[in-house]
Amino acid sequence: GESVGLHLPTLSVQEGDNSIINCAYSNSASDYFIWYKQESGKGPQFIIDIRSNMDKRQGQRVTVLLNKTVKHLSLQIAATQPGDSAVYFCAEKKNNAGNMLTFGGGTRLMVKP
Amino acid sequence: SAVISQKPSRDICQRGTSLTIQCQVDSQVTMMFWYRQQPGQSLTLIATANQGSEATYESGFVIDKFPISRPNLTFSTLTVSNMSPEDSSIYLCSVTGGLNQPQHFGDGTRLSIL
Repeated sequence: GESVGLHLPTLSVQEGDNSIINCAYSNSASDYFIWYKQESGKGPQFIIDIRSNMDKRQGQRVTVLLNKTVKHLSLQIAATQPGDSAVYFCAEKKNNAGNMLTFGGGTRLMVKP
Repeated sequence: SAVISQKPSRDICQRGTSLTIQCQVDSQVTMMFWYRQQPGQSLTLIATANQGSEATYESGFVIDKFPISRPNLTFSTLTVSNMSPEDSSIYLCSVTGGLNQPQHFGDGTRLSIL
């Protein structure tokens, strides 16, 4: 595969454990946040989003937490599986910036069997 | 979500040449975007492809280098002009249905310039 994520920070977890991927965003005026998963050879895949008027949102096996006070976003994956191994990106949209997204640097998640 | 197809999926090109990348969506979408993802890096927005008018480019990207077309609500092209090895990247198309809705991505075009 191509070299997506070669130089990214890596989180290594045991299969079955919970994973927490963190993201610090830059702009206090951001009002919409998204987590993406990118597997080798593929484009980013939407996981979950959250608006700034919420501090928590749950999906299937995933939870996003938003702490606006410290401009911090996290993605929690329950019962991590080998198929969760990928690079994860957070993205933020500034208020009044149309639909323009600014992506974070990404974290590689490696799941050990 | 919409199905997004990009062509070509990969290419190897000679420096100084140009390549046009196509993005086709299976349904009409409000907004289409083009991103670049350099090796080992995150995604950077190149431009918003506007239907029926000139694209809106982000800082550091210009129309002469990255001309974009969007003739209708389901199709867009990005041309990488006068390529140099520094243009070797993954180029990604994304679409969204509207404000504060997630963008969905194609699988990208992996471009290598020799």
